[in-house]
Amino acid sequence: KAGVTQTPRYLIKTRGQQVTLSCSPISGHRSVSWYQQTPGQGLQFLFEYFSETQRNKGNFPGRFSGRQFSNSRSEMNVSTLELGDSALYLCASSLGSTETQYFGPGTRLLVL
Amino acid sequence: GQQLNQSPQSMFIQEGEDVSMNCTSSSIFNTWLWYKQEPGEGPVLLIALYKAGELTSNGRLTAQFGITRKDSFLNISASIPSDVGIYFCAGRSTGNQFYFGTGTSLTVIP
Repeated sequence: KAGVTQTPRYLIKTRGQQVTLSCSPISGHRSVSWYQQTPGQGLQFLFEYFSETQRNKGNFPGRFSGRQFSNSRSEMNVSTLELGDSALYLCASSLGSTETQYFGPGTRLLVL
Repeated sequence: GQQLNQSPQSMFIQEGEDVSMNCTSSSIFNTWLWYKQEPGEGPVLLIALYKAGELTSNGRLTAQFGITRKDSFLNISASIPSDVGIYFCAGRSTGNQFYFGTGTSLTVIP
């Protein structure tokens, strides 16, 4: 069974731009969660989607948004990028909201 | 967001030695998970624990779900160079949200 895939793997943007990251969960998984990982803050929860609905949201500004499609694929969007948004963005999928999460390889975003 | 207290922060050990790390929380968790992350990659699930007191092994790795439901331990026996990486604990709260430890960086010296 294929694992969680994320595209692109690497991205360089400049301040003020916006970016969209994509995540394809493991086949059959309906829950997708997004995390931001930085050396100083560790893994921080962004939001979780289940059956196209946002179930939980972390403490991030409104510039961070996401959505989930009917095939469970999810996208995350960050608008008006700031230098501090440079991070590894991880997506994790699970069968349901309370099930064990499996992570993708991440998208490394660098904001210049 | 909330983070779990994970210790130690880093470890430098000789190949063949055993390793222990732990995670504690002020809240009760229903699930404890242990992940390993290598540079440039996402965390990979090592062991999942679902019941208080549960002890589970995966090869040279053994993890336990604490009786109080507020802590978990991971042991690695007879370490080898490929054990190098950052180990994270994660807990699922009673509110069904996952929280992550700050990570233990493991270096194995051949």
